[in-house]
Amino acid sequence: DIVMTQSPDSLAVSLGERATINCKSSQSVLYSSNNKNYLAWYQQKPGQPPNLVINWASTRESGVPDRFSGSGSGTDFTLTISSLQAEDVAVYYCQQFYTTPVTFGGGTKVEIK
Amino acid sequence: EVQLVESGGGLVKPGGSLRLSCAASGFTFNNAAMSWVRQAPGKGLEWVGRIKMNTDGGTVEYAAPVKGRFTISRDDSKNTLYLQMNSLKTEDTAVYFCATYSGYNKDWGQGTLVTVSS
Repeated sequence: DIVMTQSPDSLAVSLGERATINCKSSQSVLYSSNNKNYLAWYQQKPGQPPNLVINWASTRESGVPDRFSGSGSGTDFTLTISSLQAEDVAVYYCQQFYTTPVTFGGGTKVEIK
Repeated sequence: EVQLVESGGGLVKPGGSLRLSCAASGFTFNNAAMSWVRQAPGKGLEWVGRIKMNTDGGTVEYAAPVKGRFTISRDDSKNTLYLQMNSLKTEDTAVYFCATYSGYNKDWGQGTLVTVSS
């Protein structure tokens, strides 16, 4: 199975400041035939289901604010919130869907400093 | 608007069984692969398994912790996804979400809580 490791486990960022979450996969999730990274990011607020934010490592879902961006390739990925807003407080998960079983990172809790 | 509504959760004793349902609307269910994802209290997300659409073979894959005990099925005539859970263990206690599946999970239900306890 591909192991997804997120860091940090939690971070506190001031409103308007940048938040950066890292995700590392135990093997590459880049499919060479189409040059796509099979990596997604989800936001989960308390009491709610996860919400897909980014897929294919860097494609923002419709309706997601452009302060959210995804980057990286192969085994190392980053989710960046360029200017943290109060409504961004949540736990964020990365997920690889390169192969089954699909696996998730352990989550990163983002709070306001 | 896509809607996924899970039901069937509750309290069950270890070794018992439970069947969850997920009623889908707002999209063409028989053209969608579907999956179940669970979340133990205060923990992260865990993929349970997925079922392809019947025109794609309808094949099912499971995560190792549930293989042989859980069965995913679908009834396209009822736009409903199922999760039959047998031989339940305390570690199966979780909120169970159904979700559309394209590798990633775009649309999610609100989840249903399954508690396995004596």
